[in-house]
Amino acid sequence: EAGVAQSPRYKIIEKRQSVAFWCNPISGHATLYWYQQILGQGPKLLIQFQNNGVVDDSQLPKDRFSAERLKGVDSTLKIQPAKLEDSAVYLCASSPALRQFNEKLFFGSGTQLSVL
Amino acid sequence: SQQGEEDPQALSIQEGENATMNCSYKTSINNLQWYRQNSGRGLVHLILIRSNEREKHSGRLRVTLDTSKKSSSLLITASRAADTASYFCATDAAGANNLFFGTGTRLTVIP
Repeated sequence: EAGVAQSPRYKIIEKRQSVAFWCNPISGHATLYWYQQILGQGPKLLIQFQNNGVVDDSQLPKDRFSAERLKGVDSTLKIQPAKLEDSAVYLCASSPALRQFNEKLFFGSGTQLSVL
Repeated sequence: SQQGEEDPQALSIQEGENATMNCSYKTSINNLQWYRQNSGRGLVHLILIRSNEREKHSGRLRVTLDTSKKSSSLLITASRAADTASYFCATDAAGANNLFFGTGTRLTVIP
């Protein structure tokens, strides 16, 4: 079974530039999550989709971050414009569960973003 | 914050020894999960324990949960060099719409 795919693996940009991350969840997984993991910290949820609808985006800095999940499958996360404090690993995860967190999450390898 | 905290922050042991990591949290939970993260990789689910369970085993892993103390422990027996990673607890807080991750324990197993 293929895992959660993310690209790119690494990205280096200058502040005020824009960047986009892509995620392809495990086939058939209804729920998709984007997490931000700053160095030395645990992952923090940015946004949660169930199929193609947003369940929770309360932690998403909406003035600069946006995300969409097209046709309930792939998802993109965009930052525009980027700030220095956005330097982090952006992790995508998926779960077959419709009830949010009763089951385990499957994570991709993440995109490591460096903002200079 | 509902985020859990792992203790210790870092742990270094010899191969073959047991490793114990602890997690404390602040609010009532539905379940608690443990994940492993190898350097530069995503998180891998290890084990899930529900709030009505007290102990769970999976291979060399043993997890306990004490809801009265709002704490959990992860025991890895007979550690191997391949167990070197960061370990995170994550809580599914009752009534919350989120899975809160702790700050992690960095485990180093010396061959």
